[in-house]
Amino acid sequence: AQKITQTQPGMFVQEKEAVTLDCTYDTSDPSYGLFWYKQPSSGEMIFLIYQGSYDQQNATEGRYSLNFQKARKSANLVISASQLGDSAMYFCAMRGDTGFQKLVFGTGTRLLVSP
Amino acid sequence: DTAVSQTPKYLVTQMGNDKSIKCEQNLGHDTMYWYKQDSKKFLKIMFSYNNKELIINETVPNRFSPKSPDKAHLNLHINSLELGDSAVYFCASSQVWSHSPQMGSNEQFFGPGTRLTVL
Repeated sequence: AQKITQTQPGMFVQEKEAVTLDCTYDTSDPSYGLFWYKQPSSGEMIFLIYQGSYDQQNATEGRYSLNFQKARKSANLVISASQLGDSAMYFCAMRGDTGFQKLVFGTGTRLLVSP
Repeated sequence: DTAVSQTPKYLVTQMGNDKSIKCEQNLGHDTMYWYKQDSKKFLKIMFSYNNKELIINETVPNRFSPKSPDKAHLNLHINSLELGDSAVYFCASSQVWSHSPQMGSNEQFFGPGTRLTVL
């Protein structure tokens, strides 16, 4: 079974600063994928970034980067140069060898970006 | 062009009623999913279909019945609605289905969600 833990229910950051959202995972699967999704107040789920467990490099997508530490089973999302539009819920999710492609989600972190 | 669409966006109904939510994807994906997001924002998989075949059924009450008439559509029918069914239901799709997660991101694209309120 897979489990995702997001210990930060809420985070605050000032505009233009960087912020790290924490995610730890637990799985016995030898290979797996880790995802981050953004859910703004409008409700849709937006895919941000993906990291495969065998990827040698940490994933980056524009202002998003994933700090993947396999030994620590952590996959933290780093948002650089925060913008007001980054205010949203952020979900970490995992897909394992078992489970037929289903995503297992964490409880989410609400990020608030202030001017 | 909407990639994954759901209708209706809002659904308010009385306990005991039967209702359906429709989902369509125009991405040419093989696999579709239903997720439920509860009032605490927790998202959980309910069902998954690959090419019209059910591959995930996550201990969901029998009152919930998914139907996939073709690989672009996955509908969710709910019988005898209960108060606890109130939630946001998301449809999603992904390109391929495979046992291996090491197949690239194969990310899931989500629909806008259907907010179901049972009174």
